[in-house]
Amino acid sequence: AQSVTQLDSHVSVSEGTPVLLRCNYSSSYSPSLFWYVQHPNKGLQLLLKYTSAATLVKGINGFEAEFKKSETSFHLTKPSAHMSDAAEYFCVVPGSSNTGKLIFGQGTTLQVKP
Amino acid sequence: EAGVAQSPRYKIIEKRQSVAFWCNPISGHATLYWYQQILGQGPKLLIQFQNNGVVDDSQLPKDRFSAERLKGVDSTLKIQPAKLEDSAVYLCASSSTSGGGNEQFFGPGTRLTVL
Repeated sequence: AQSVTQLDSHVSVSEGTPVLLRCNYSSSYSPSLFWYVQHPNKGLQLLLKYTSAATLVKGINGFEAEFKKSETSFHLTKPSAHMSDAAEYFCVVPGSSNTGKLIFGQGTTLQVKP
Repeated sequence: EAGVAQSPRYKIIEKRQSVAFWCNPISGHATLYWYQQILGQGPKLLIQFQNNGVVDDSQLPKDRFSAERLKGVDSTLKIQPAKLEDSAVYLCASSSTSGGGNEQFFGPGTRLTVL
């Protein structure tokens, strides 16, 4: 069965410092993987998507993630945090290869301090 | 391009009452999803439609929840009767196809409070 585990429920960084949000996945086949972001009172937005074309994936707003099959990880990083990055982040895996069902992690709340 | 529209944005009801949520997906998107997001958790799929047919409703509590997408465009999710544990944000999403790697576009959600 497909699943994702987000290793931190809450991450706090200072503005201008690097961001690391950790995600491990479990999949019975080589999956697609996503990171979605949810700002308060706004809909979920796709940050980036891995589909096996390249292990390092670049997304919007300076975020990127690296797929590491040997570690079953898909950690999200950003070199320098901005106040506007404060939000909830979800690591997501498709529930199956032929339907659209998404399996969401529990989420990581990113706090950015001035 | 207009996004996914949902209404109402907020709803407060008492337990045992009924409630309905409406969703209009992005124009041309054949696949529509309803998710339930309980506070502090990630969204969980309730039901997936492909055009006006149900693809997956395995997580839908069918004794109280129902959903329809009669003309293959907009959709309604109903709860009757509501329970306290139904308090959550109900998210609608759409995608152009139903494959496992496709991006889903989410609406702003309806926040339901059951008292």
